[in-house]
Amino acid sequence: SAVISQKPSRDICQRGTSLTIQCQVDSQVTMMFWYRQQPGQSLTLIATANQGSEATYESGFVIDKFPISRPNLTFSTLTVSNMSPEDSSIYLCSVPGRTYEQYFGPGTRLTVT
Amino acid sequence: AQKITQTQPGMFVQEKEAVTLDCTYDTSDQSYGLFWYKQPSSGEMIFLIYQGSYDEQNATEGRYSLNFQKARKSANLVISASQLGDSAMYFCAMREGSSGNQFYFGTGTSLTVIP
Repeated sequence: SAVISQKPSRDICQRGTSLTIQCQVDSQVTMMFWYRQQPGQSLTLIATANQGSEATYESGFVIDKFPISRPNLTFSTLTVSNMSPEDSSIYLCSVPGRTYEQYFGPGTRLTVT
Repeated sequence: AQKITQTQPGMFVQEKEAVTLDCTYDTSDQSYGLFWYKQPSSGEMIFLIYQGSYDEQNATEGRYSLNFQKARKSANLVISASQLGDSAMYFCAMREGSSGNQFYFGTGTSLTVIP
């Protein structure tokens, strides 16, 4: 399975500011995924990040709020912009496995005050 | 309609006993995959087991097995010989053949193993 790291592991931010989350994979992957898990909730896919093209956003998520970069096949960033307390969540990146599974990073716990 | 339904918000099991976590799914695709993930309090999502819709045998991975009943659209996770370290949230997920890499997750079941 892929080894995935995320930075930061957690952060406390003030409303109105932005935070960029980094995701690093130990192998080259075509697709990377960003998920949000609000407190006590399940995971929701934010977007799919393909290298060399614009990210594909799911319904309810927009590029202005969650801009994504994918500069190469092992790295991606997700920015949470103009944060509000409702953005307090765990943000996870994931990559496809060899068959059909996805492997997740350790997550970034974001608290917005 | 919910793609994945987990009806047990919380479960308790005695250490060394077996426990079944329920999962039902809804899809009109013939090709799909079902997954179980474990999420400890640390927040990471750990892949446990996978079952393909065309797989005739139930998937097993160590102490984890998936009780796949296609006609009932259920994919229950069975954990045998529970250990204290099994205490965590467990999520059932599905990937449909028609929806690319989109994973649909259930709401999770919190499992507590009692010594």
